[in-house]
Amino acid sequence: TQLLEQSPQFLSIQEGENLTVYCNSSSVFSSLQWYRQEPGEGPVLLVTVVTGGEVKKLKRLTFQFGDARKDSSLHITAAQPGDTGLYLCAGNQAGTALIFGKGTTLSVSS
Amino acid sequence: KAGVTQTPRYLIKTRGQQVTLSCSPISGHRSVSWYQQTPGQGLQFLFEYFSETQRNKGNFPGRFSGRQFSNSRSEMNVSTLELGDSALYLCASSLVGALTEAFFGQGTRLTVV
Repeated sequence: TQLLEQSPQFLSIQEGENLTVYCNSSSVFSSLQWYRQEPGEGPVLLVTVVTGGEVKKLKRLTFQFGDARKDSSLHITAAQPGDTGLYLCAGNQAGTALIFGKGTTLSVSS
Repeated sequence: KAGVTQTPRYLIKTRGQQVTLSCSPISGHRSVSWYQQTPGQGLQFLFEYFSETQRNKGNFPGRFSGRQFSNSRSEMNVSTLELGDSALYLCASSLVGALTEAFFGQGTRLTVV
């Protein structure tokens, strides 16, 4: 059973479109991180959200942590080809290692 | 400051052989975690070391082992390699603390033939 479910699994869009990626769980997390990974490289941390209901913005990317700290979303406005990659969410529970979702593969074409 | 360094980047081994992968964490980071990444299973946690002690362990067979040295560098070993062990092995280092944000190396691509 996957503790963190990400959807959609694959997303292919045109440059300029908006998109939202979801990360859901039945478990509560003390914090949740979003990473982006490019082929042949390790994941790179984008943001950490800690407080239920928290919203963080990173340029065209908006991250939200659910009120109950069980889910999160990543919204990209006006996607660009440089946004292409694998987006991973990872949850942290006290005393355990980071738990990763399987990721959303995003392809943005010009 | 230097990031997480993993060596080697690529490795080809034959079934039945063993392999050792190395990871040097970011200076000052005392926690090192290892993950296996495959297209079907995503990122799966292998184990975490902190101050030379294994603190957490994932659900992998005993053929997968690791250790951490006093300078926080870590190695993982896989014995009796199987074809299914082909994967990208990622090492992540982090500071001690509640947030446990992970900083990853570029990974070692292991191919078992």
